[in-house]
Amino acid sequence: DAMVIQNPRYQVTQFGKPVTLSCSQTLNHNVMYWYQQKSSQAPKLLFHYYDKDFNNEADTPDNFQSRRPNTSFCFLDIRSPGLGDAAMYLCATSSLSGNTEAFFGQGTRLTVV
Amino acid sequence: GQQVMQIPQYQHVQEGEDFTTYCNSSTTLSNIQWYKQRPGGHPVFLIQLVKSGEVKKQKRLTFQFGEAKKNSSLHITATQTTDVGTYFCAVYSGNTPLVFGKGTRLSVIA
Repeated sequence: DAMVIQNPRYQVTQFGKPVTLSCSQTLNHNVMYWYQQKSSQAPKLLFHYYDKDFNNEADTPDNFQSRRPNTSFCFLDIRSPGLGDAAMYLCATSSLSGNTEAFFGQGTRLTVV
Repeated sequence: GQQVMQIPQYQHVQEGEDFTTYCNSSTTLSNIQWYKQRPGGHPVFLIQLVKSGEVKKQKRLTFQFGEAKKNSSLHITATQTTDVGTYFCAVYSGNTPLVFGKGTRLSVIA
């Protein structure tokens, strides 16, 4: 049973056209993360939520925003996608303690045309 | 934030050979985690090490945490084609969320 679900699995968007990626979880975890992973690279943390507290990584571009309306759902908004934003976007969750395993969704592969 | 260096970046082995990947930190770690990502897949948790000098085994995989809690290794004995993928170490540090090493991509030649 999928515990962290990302939709869609594949997303094609036009250059400059806003796009939203979604993530939901059935684990009731307090922490949710968004990572960007480009080909042959490690997942790069964009931001995370600790409950409703939003924490942005210092080098995350302003073009990337996030919303977490409730515990189960989290969204990644890319306001004006550029060609360099094409990547796999991974959502993950972990329990409040933080020092526990992270559960990843299957990711959304974003293509920018 | 906390960073870990992971080597090697790539490793090609013949099926049946052993494989080791290493993670090193300049500061003491509270714990370290290991993940495996198959080609086209997402990272999957393997294990967490917490104690100084800790050694844990999962079948052919052996995980070690250094005495100073600044380094860790993952060793696979007698690799199989199912071991193909990228192995990442990842760490938390205080309030810093999970940050990944660059990973070691393992290729196994049958």
